[in-house]
Order: sequence, then structure tokens, then C-alpha cells
Amino acid sequence: DIQMTQSPSTLSASVGDRVTITCRASQSISDWLAWYQQKPGKAPKVLIYRASILITGVPSRFSGSGSGTEFTLTISSLQPDDFATYYCQQYDNFLWTFGQGTKVEIK
Amino acid sequence: EVQLVQSGAEVKKPGESLKISCQASGYKFTGYWIGWVRQMPGQGLEWVGIVFPLDYDVRYSPSFEGQVTISADKSVSTAYLQWNSLKASDSATYYCARLEGYMGVWGKGTTVIVSS
Repeated sequence: DIQMTQSPSTLSASVGDRVTITCRASQSISDWLAWYQQKPGKAPKVLIYRASILITGVPSRFSGSGSGTEFTLTISSLQPDDFATYYCQQYDNFLWTFGQGTKVEIK
Repeated sequence: EVQLVQSGAEVKKPGESLKISCQASGYKFTGYWIGWVRQMPGQGLEWVGIVFPLDYDVRYSPSFEGQVTISADKSVSTAYLQWNSLKASDSATYYCARLEGYMGVWGKGTTVIVSS
């Protein structure tokens, strides 16, 4: 199985901060990576797919990069609505694996 | 509008059976895989398995193989997740999602509580 390791597990930041979350795959997944945002009591929402393609309607302050085994999600200027938990997910070859999540908290 | 509407919350006893549903609308049901995801209380997301409604092809996560059954009925555009004998450890929220490679459209989730 492909393992996905996210870091950090928790991140404390202020409105306006630049935030970066890292996701590492245990083997190469090309760019078959998605990022999701989840708020308490709600279903996850996809933000980015194919590592760097922004879903229509997602604010441009979100961006993704990487390929192979190293990926990042960046929020260029954190907004109040962005405090949530973020998950990476690989979707290579009919096996899906999520990272353990990164909770972005208010500092 | 593409929508996945999941069945309501369930409270069951250990050993009971359960089948929860996910009804699709707004798109061609047989054209996309549907996936199921588990989220235990306060925990992360785990992929359970997927079904392709056109030919009922089903794939399971190794962690869930033999523990659950995934199915679909294209006549009613609905996917299902079922258990034959629930355990307390099955208590979780279960989400269905339409697969576009990634999980593009999600249902709101079905909370399952298993308690004696």
C-alpha cells in the first residue's frame, strides 16, 4: 500500500499568514494527488487535483505543487474561512490513500 | 446540479445488520465510480471501497475487505454500503463520493452508532 504522510499535524497561524502543508508518498504517484478541506461536522471538499489544478470556484490563494513523492499545499494569505483540517489523497491505480490530516488553527 | 443524498443516521446494536445508501442525481449514474469513506469520531479519512454502477465492479481497500459489502442499483441510481454483523468499532460517519479520479462530489455523510 502507498502511505501518505502529512506534516505538520497541527499548524497555528494568524489571518494573513502564508501557510504550507507538506504531503509525502511512500512511492512515486506521479501527480495523482488531491487536496481536501474539511470543516467540523461537514463533508470534505476538494480544492486541488492532479497536484496543482485548482477546482473551479476555489479561491486563488490556494495552490498546490509537486510530483513523484513530495507535494505541498500553500495558502498565500490565510483567511478566517480557511481554519479547517486539510487532507492530501493519492489516487493511483484504484487504490486511494489519505494523509492523516493537518489542522489549521487560529494563533 | 450533481448531488449525492445519503440515508439518515442509524443507531444499532452489536451483531445487527445494516445497509446505508447514497442516491445520485444530476448526472449519468453509470458513468462514474462511487466511493465510500469512513471517518471515525475525531479521526481522519479512510477509503473503504468503490463501485462502478455500469457493471457493478467493486474494489475494496485491503483494510475493509471482508468487513463490508458495497453494491449499487442503477435502476434507482443508488450505491450501498452494508454490514452483516456490526461491531462497536464500526461507529463512524460514512461518506459517499463521486470519483473523478479524485473525490469530486460528496454526500453529507451517514452517522452510524453501534452500541449495546
